[in-house]
Amino acid sequence: EAGVTQFPSHSVIEKGQTVTLRCDPISGHDNLYWYRRVMGKEIKFLLHFVKESKQDESGMPNNRFLAERTGGTYSTLKVQPAELEDSGVYFCASSQANVGLQETQYFGPGTRLLVL
Amino acid sequence: EDQVTQSPEALRLQEGESSSLNCSYTVSGLRGLFWYRQDPGKGPEFLFTLYSAGEEKEKERLKATLTKKESFLHITAPKPEDSATYLCAVSRRTGGFKTIFGAGTRLFVKA
Repeated sequence: EAGVTQFPSHSVIEKGQTVTLRCDPISGHDNLYWYRRVMGKEIKFLLHFVKESKQDESGMPNNRFLAERTGGTYSTLKVQPAELEDSGVYFCASSQANVGLQETQYFGPGTRLLVL
Repeated sequence: EDQVTQSPEALRLQEGESSSLNCSYTVSGLRGLFWYRQDPGKGPEFLFTLYSAGEEKEKERLKATLTKKESFLHITAPKPEDSATYLCAVSRRTGGFKTIFGAGTRLFVKA
């Protein structure tokens, strides 16, 4: 079974440009999460999709970040325009449908974003 | 405010030298506490979920325990391949499945 995949693995852009990150969850997983780790800090929650609906987007830093999950399958996270402080590693995770207890989240390898 | 604090920040062990990593947490109604392993350049790899105080889980040389305020990850007779960053995380019973991570403990095991 294929794991969570993320594309690209690395991205280097200039301040003010736009970048779109993609996440393909494990097939059949309804839940999809985005997280971010900036240099020297802990991994922080950004948002949670259940199928195509945003369940919780309380961690999104500001309106320069836009996440979508078309048809409840893959998800994209767009940063427009990118700022220096957006640099970090963006992780995606997925889990099966919730049945009371929290299902295990499986993480992708991350996208390393550097904004110059 | 929900918070997860891990100690020590880094731990250096000789092969075979058993030790424990600590995760102290503050959360309003714990849904679950999670341990992950992360290797350089990779995403976190799931190890354990603990749901209630007194619960214990084991996997090979690792054993995780949970109290009402903290969790321990015990490593018995570690090998060099156990070298990694170990992450602790919690989620709340209310407010969705948002997961709060600690900063991690970097473990180095020398042969």
